[in-house]
Amino acid sequence: DGGITQSPKYLFRKEGQNVTLSCEQNLNHDAMYWYRQDPGQGLRLIYYSQIVNDFQKGDIAEGYSVSREKKESFPLTVTSAQKNPTAFYLCASTGLGNTGELFFGEGSRLTVL
Amino acid sequence: GQSLEQPSEVTAVEGAIVQINCTYQTSGFYGLSWYQQHDGGAPTFLSYNALDGLEETGRFSSFLSRSDSYGYLLLQELQMKDSASYFCAAKANSGYALNFGKGTSLLVTP
Repeated sequence: DGGITQSPKYLFRKEGQNVTLSCEQNLNHDAMYWYRQDPGQGLRLIYYSQIVNDFQKGDIAEGYSVSREKKESFPLTVTSAQKNPTAFYLCASTGLGNTGELFFGEGSRLTVL
Repeated sequence: GQSLEQPSEVTAVEGAIVQINCTYQTSGFYGLSWYQQHDGGAPTFLSYNALDGLEETGRFSSFLSRSDSYGYLLLQELQMKDSASYFCAAKANSGYALNFGKGTSLLVTP
């Protein structure tokens, strides 16, 4: 079945460690996104990419990095520079066009110990 | 800047109708989307309004007034499973990314 797969679902890390969250889609979507969600909060945009080998910073890009080497994949690295990384991370994708619909993965919950 | 305002919490009785409002300030506004999210889950798409007026999808309807920078989600014949968070999200000319409101927690009671 087509969809977006995020891994791992749960992740624990020690302070000072980088961690990479995986996001893979087989929907043949051009655009992919990373959002962060904190308890009781909306989704805040970290990075997005509309085409391979190109990506743009969102509202809260500091302390994060991404790559888009393949259309299907958009991994997010949470670096040690991110001051408060404990959160729920959501990856999404969409085809080009004005539909307003994002397809989300099941999310990755990162806890920094 | 861009911002979307929606009530933080709404409570309604099973079988009733509830309306969740959203006002937005978005430069280069394209359209307004609505998403549902159950606790611990991923947001799922409900509807999208690019033009003024009402869009109906089963028990859910969504309305947009571009001149008032306002929209709402209408849920009819409420069921217990409708208890969830509902987010409005605006699409702007800065790209294809959506900017989300903080969400409205809907509690449906018996």
